[in-house]
Amino acid sequence: DAGITQSPRHKVTETGTPVTLRCHQTENHRYMYWYRQDPGHGLRLIHYSYGVKDTDKGEVSDGYSVSRSKTEDFLLTLESATSSQTSVYFCAIRTDLSYNEQFFGPGTRLTVL
Amino acid sequence: AQTVTQSQPEMSVQEAETVTLSCTYDTSENNYYLFWYKQPPSRQMILVIRQEAYKQQNATENRFSVNFQKAAKSFSLKISDSQLGDTAMYFCAFMKQGGSQGNLIFGKGTKLSVKP
Repeated sequence: DAGITQSPRHKVTETGTPVTLRCHQTENHRYMYWYRQDPGHGLRLIHYSYGVKDTDKGEVSDGYSVSRSKTEDFLLTLESATSSQTSVYFCAIRTDLSYNEQFFGPGTRLTVL
Repeated sequence: AQTVTQSQPEMSVQEAETVTLSCTYDTSENNYYLFWYKQPPSRQMILVIRQEAYKQQNATENRFSVNFQKAAKSFSLKISDSQLGDTAMYFCAFMKQGGSQGNLIFGKGTKLSVKP
């Protein structure tokens, strides 16, 4: 267990509303990731961070933004949620560069009506 | 770009038997890592096993082992003495070594059912 929590665990919202998902880690890992999981697609990278205030886009970043003001927190924001963003969202941390394992949080199920 | 393919959407096995899940990948990289993750109905993603591409020896973790064929770009997972708790989705994943991104590229998964 890499000490990763996500909040909320479940959320239902309406199209057009802003949504923020939070990922919190307790072990000061430098790299953090946001993935989404959809049936038939496995997990796909949305954004990642390689340090405080250092973030970059992943494969499916359109419609999402992220922020990392503290090492332990990585926020994912949907500025104006759409039904296509209904998904399960996972946060992950990456261990040191020599070992390169990623450990995941418990996931957030988001439904956009 | 790297891709990961899992050609078996679903598999089943009897308890105590052995099952092998297939994974192939495509990359032009020479240095990388390969992983198998398990996702039970609880939805938690659990790292099962890890393989470094530069190692010829196949990784083993208790009842889980891999058959890594670098030239063929194949990375299969063997589960021995299958248990009911092994019922889950299994994802194969690739990570390029080096670089600043370090994200995982996932296959679409294989749903494994272990039957009593």
